[in-house]
Amino acid sequence: KAGVTQTPRYLIKTRGQQVTLSCSPISGHRSVSWYQQTPGQGLQFLFEYFSETQRNKGNFPGRFSGRQFSNSRSEMNVSTLELGDSALYLCASSLEAYPRYEQYFGPGTRLTVT
Amino acid sequence: AQKVTQAQTEISVVEKEDVTLDCVYETRDTTYYLFWYKQPPSGELVFLIRRNSFDEQNEISGRYSWNFQKSTSSFNFTITASQVVDSAVYFCALSDSNSGYALNFGKGTSLLVTP
Repeated sequence: KAGVTQTPRYLIKTRGQQVTLSCSPISGHRSVSWYQQTPGQGLQFLFEYFSETQRNKGNFPGRFSGRQFSNSRSEMNVSTLELGDSALYLCASSLEAYPRYEQYFGPGTRLTVT
Repeated sequence: AQKVTQAQTEISVVEKEDVTLDCVYETRDTTYYLFWYKQPPSGELVFLIRRNSFDEQNEISGRYSWNFQKSTSSFNFTITASQVVDSAVYFCALSDSNSGYALNFGKGTSLLVTP
């Protein structure tokens, strides 16, 4: 079974621009979560989607948004990029709503904001 | 406040040594979940184990073992006879109602195993 895939793997953007990252969960998985990883803050939860609905949201500004499609694929969008948004963005999928089911992570998208 | 503490930032061992990674957590819930993930240099987080708060049995999987002690709020991870391929950053995470059961990660422990 294919794992979680994320595209693109690497991205360079300029401050003020916006960016969209994509995540395809493991086949059959309906829950998708997003995490941001930075050297300073570590791994932080952004949001979780289940059956096209945002079920949980972390403590991030409104510039960070996401959505989930009927095929469970998910996208996250960051508008008005700031230098501090440079990070590894990880997507995780689970069969159903966690925590009853383990979350499996993708390889991440490394975003650099210049 | 940090709810998951991994006090060891970096550990270096020689191949075949045993190594224990410490994890201390804080929660007011009676129902919660604990996880360990491995992050090799490639960046992908690899799931290792999930434990719920009602199951204090220690678990062994090959060279890996986990010791869950509610009395000390600890969930430690031991690698027996370490190998170079074990070199990675290891994260302990807590899932409880405070975060809506999202994963709350510790800062991670970087393990370097040298030949």
